[in-house]
Amino acid sequence: QSALTQPASVSGSPGQSITISCTGTSSDIGAYKYVSWYQQHPGKAPKLMIYDISNRPSGVSNRFSGSKSGNTASLTISGLQAEDEADYHCKSYTTSYSYVFGTGTKVTVL
Amino acid sequence: QVQMVQSGAEVKKPGASVKVSCKTSGYTFTDYHIHWVRQAPGQGLEWIGISRSNDDITAYAQKFQGRVTMTRDTSTSTVYMELSSLKSEDTAVYFCAREMELTYLFDYWGQGTLVIVSS
Repeated sequence: QSALTQPASVSGSPGQSITISCTGTSSDIGAYKYVSWYQQHPGKAPKLMIYDISNRPSGVSNRFSGSKSGNTASLTISGLQAEDEADYHCKSYTTSYSYVFGTGTKVTVL
Repeated sequence: QVQMVQSGAEVKKPGASVKVSCKTSGYTFTDYHIHWVRQAPGQGLEWIGISRSNDDITAYAQKFQGRVTMTRDTSTSTVYMELSSLKSEDTAVYFCAREMELTYLFDYWGQGTLVIVSS
C-alpha cells in the first residue's frame, strides 16, 4: 500500500485560506468516506482535526473543513492563524482492511 | 480523562527486538481498538497494525507481517507492540492510538516512544 500523496509544504499569510490535497486511489480514498486529517506540532502526538471527510470533532475550530472528490481529499484552513503552523497528515481506510497515511504537509504561516 | 502513556525510549542493536507498551486509563479498555503508528525522522506517519478490543484479533500491515506482534493485557489496560529483527530503518517514534469500533478515526494518541536502532 503506497502512501497517499500530499504536497510537501503549503504556506499562507495570517487571515488567508489554504488548501492541502491528499491523493490516493480507488482502493482507499475513492472507496470510502473514512478519510481523516491530523495536525501535528513538532515533538507532539497527532491530533484529530477532521473525520469522515468533513466532520469536525468537538473542540476543533470551524476554520478547518474537509472535502473529497474522486480519489482526492482536501483540507482547507480558513482565517489562517499562527497556531495553525504544523504538519498535517491525511489518512484513509483501504479495501485491504488496513489504513494508509499521507506523506505529510508542512504548513507555514508567513 | 483519557490517558495513553507509553514506555520510554529504547536503543537497540540491529537484529534485536523491542517491546513498547501503551498503558491506557480513563475509559473502558474493551470498548476501543488500539492501533500502532510510527514516524521515522522527518517523515510521515505509517500504520503498523491493530489490536482489536472485542475479539482479541490482530491485523498488521503487510510490510510488518512476520516481524510484529501486538498483545494486550486487559487486567492492566495495557497494549504491547513487539517488533523483531530490527534494522536501522526501524528507527522512529512509535505511537499508540485508540479507535472506537467502526468509527475509523484515531481520537486519542500516546505521547510516542523513540526507538533507535544503531550498532
